[in-house]
Amino acid sequence: GENVEQHPSTLSVQEGDSAVIKCTYSDSASNYFPWYKQELGKRPQLIIDIRSNVGEKKDQRIAVTLNKTAKHFSLHITETQPEDSAVYFCAASIGGTSYGKLTFGQGTILTVHP
Amino acid sequence: DGGITQSPKYLFRKEGQNVTLSCEQNLNHDAMYWYRQDPGQGLRLIYYSQIVNDFQKGDIAEGYSVSREKKESFPLTVTSAQKNPTAFYLCASKQPGQENTEAFFGQGTRLTVV
Repeated sequence: GENVEQHPSTLSVQEGDSAVIKCTYSDSASNYFPWYKQELGKRPQLIIDIRSNVGEKKDQRIAVTLNKTAKHFSLHITETQPEDSAVYFCAASIGGTSYGKLTFGQGTILTVHP
Repeated sequence: DGGITQSPKYLFRKEGQNVTLSCEQNLNHDAMYWYRQDPGQGLRLIYYSQIVNDFQKGDIAEGYSVSREKKESFPLTVTSAQKNPTAFYLCASKQPGQENTEAFFGQGTRLTVV
C-alpha cells in the first residue's frame, strides 16, 4: 500500500519567516495530494491540495509543489504569523471510485514565535 | 459546521468494555473513514467504507469493528480486544471519484481507558 513520509516532525520559525514541510510517497499511482491544518483539539481542515497534472499551486501565503518523478511534494508558507502555529499533515490518495483512501504523513508541529 | 458530526466528544471506557463511537454526515458522501490519532504518529486508518453495506479494513483494524447500514452513518466499536485504545478518533467522509475531492472531518472523539 501507499506510504507517506513527512519531515520535519517539528519546525520552529520566527514571525515573518518562511516555513517548508516536505513529504514523499511510495505509490506512483497516487494522484491527489492534500494538506491539512489541525489546531489543538480541533478537526483537521484542508488548506490546499494539488493534483498530479500540475506542478505547483498557490493560495495567498501558501503554496504546494509536486515532483512526480521524485515522488515528493512540499508545503511552503511565506510571511508566517503566530496563527499559523498548528500541526500540518500531508496526504496522498489514488483517485477513482474504488479508491480515494487517504494515507497521511506523521504530521509536523509548526510553531511561529512572535 | 462541516456536515459531519461525531459523538460523544469525550468517552471513558473501563477495561474489558466495548464502546461505540458515533459518526453521522449529511453531505451525501459515499465514502466514510475512521482514523486514529496518536502523538507523533499522524492519522492511521482503521476502517473505511466506499458504499452502504460494504467496508474494508485499514492499516490498524485489529480490535475494532464497524457497520455501514445507512449512507449517513458509520459507527465504530472499540472492542475489549483493542489493547491500547486510548487515543483521539477522527471520522471523515468524502465523495470518491477520478478528480478526487476534499475529505471532511468530524470534530473527533477522545477515548480514555480508566
